Amino acid sequence: AQSVSQHNHHVILSEAASLELGCNYSYGGTVNLFWYVQYPGQHLQLLLKYFSGDPLVKGIKGFEAEFIKSKFSFNLRKPSVQWSDTAEYFCAVNLHSLPNNNDMRFGAGTRLTVKP
Amino acid sequence: EAQVTQNPRYLITVTGKKLTVTCSQNMNHEYMSWYRQDPGLGLRQIYYSMNVEVTDKGDVPEGYKVSRKEKRNFPLILESPSPNQTSLYFCASSFSAQGLSYEQYFGPGTRLTVT
Repeated sequence: AQSVSQHNHHVILSEAASLELGCNYSYGGTVNLFWYVQYPGQHLQLLLKYFSGDPLVKGIKGFEAEFIKSKFSFNLRKPSVQWSDTAEYFCAVNLHSLPNNNDMRFGAGTRLTVKP
Repeated sequence: EAQVTQNPRYLITVTGKKLTVTCSQNMNHEYMSWYRQDPGLGLRQIYYSMNVEVTDKGDVPEGYKVSRKEKRNFPLILESPSPNQTSLYFCASSFSAQGLSYEQYFGPGTRLTVT
């Protein structure tokens, strides 16, 4: 079965540290890739997305992600985190597979805590 | 303002008492979807709708119903709620073209407790 894996359940960093959150998916077909962020008590918001083209995509708030097709990965990165980045981060994969071309699968989420 | 709204935001109910959670979007999106979020499991899709009168099951549809009579509304119905449906529910919508959806916009969530 197709799945999305986020290997880090909880990451704790100090401010200014660099961040990398892993995301792998198991599906051999065409995909659209997303990272969403959920701040405490709020709904999910889109950080960035990849549909095609340059595999290094830049999102809001200094986040970026790299799609490595051969590794089925879409890791999220930020060179220097801030306390305000404390949130839960979800990787999502939209599988282009009939009959449902809108099959969106989410990872279990990674909780990021940034210590001031 | 472009948004997805859900009501109610919080609901405590008892086993077996039918309830409806409403979802409405003002972006003229074709695609709408319901998810439940549980700790350690991420978001799991309950039902989705490609357009008016077109709905289908997601990963965890048991115990839920939906309808899509109008493009903007996509209510989630629990005919006979049970405690294992206690969860945080999100509605989402997205633009869709040629059967493919784009990034989803999420509502604020509905926290449901079934006792």
